Amino acid sequence: AQSVTQPDIHITVSEGASLELRCNYSYGATPYLFWYVQSPGQGLQLLLKYFSGDTLVQGIKGFEAEFKRSQSSFNLRKPSVHWSDAAEYFCAAIDSSASKIIFGSGTRLSIRP
Amino acid sequence: DVKVTQSSRYLVKRTGEKVFLECVQDMDHENMFWYRQDPGLGLRLIYFSYDVKMKEKGDIPEGYSVSREKKERFSLILESASTNQTSMYLCASSSNLVNEQFFGPGTRLTVL
Repeated sequence: AQSVTQPDIHITVSEGASLELRCNYSYGATPYLFWYVQSPGQGLQLLLKYFSGDTLVQGIKGFEAEFKRSQSSFNLRKPSVHWSDAAEYFCAAIDSSASKIIFGSGTRLSIRP
Repeated sequence: DVKVTQSSRYLVKRTGEKVFLECVQDMDHENMFWYRQDPGLGLRLIYFSYDVKMKEKGDIPEGYSVSREKKERFSLILESASTNQTSMYLCASSSNLVNEQFFGPGTRLTVL
């Protein structure tokens, strides 16, 4: 069955430190991949997406993600986090023939001052 | 600025009540979605619609129905609310099923 896994439920990093949030997918073929962010009390906002081509994808708010086919991963990174990055992050995937997107269970990011 | 709005941010209902959650988008999108969000479970799709009067079941449609009479409006209906339907409900829309979804702010529903 198709699935998206985010192994980390909660991560705490210090302000200014680097960040990597993990995402693994299980699909027959490479799906389209997304990262969304949900700030407290708000809906989800797209950070970036990967459809094909360059495996390093740049997004908004200084985020990037790297697609690694061999590891079935699409990890989100940021070189230096800010207090405003505290939020919940969702990885999601959809294949080209499917009619619905599958979301991971989310990773909550806390920032240590 | 593109927008998806939901009729209520917070809602408290009693068991057995009929509940309507409304969602409106101003982007002329074909596709609209209803999700529920629960801690540790991420977002789970309840129903989606790819055109007016068209609907498809998602992963957890039991206890819910939907209505899409106009392109911009997608309603989620709980025919007889139960306590296990206490959750955050998120509406989204997209121009294409594989494209970015735009989300509303969510409705936190409590069923007592």
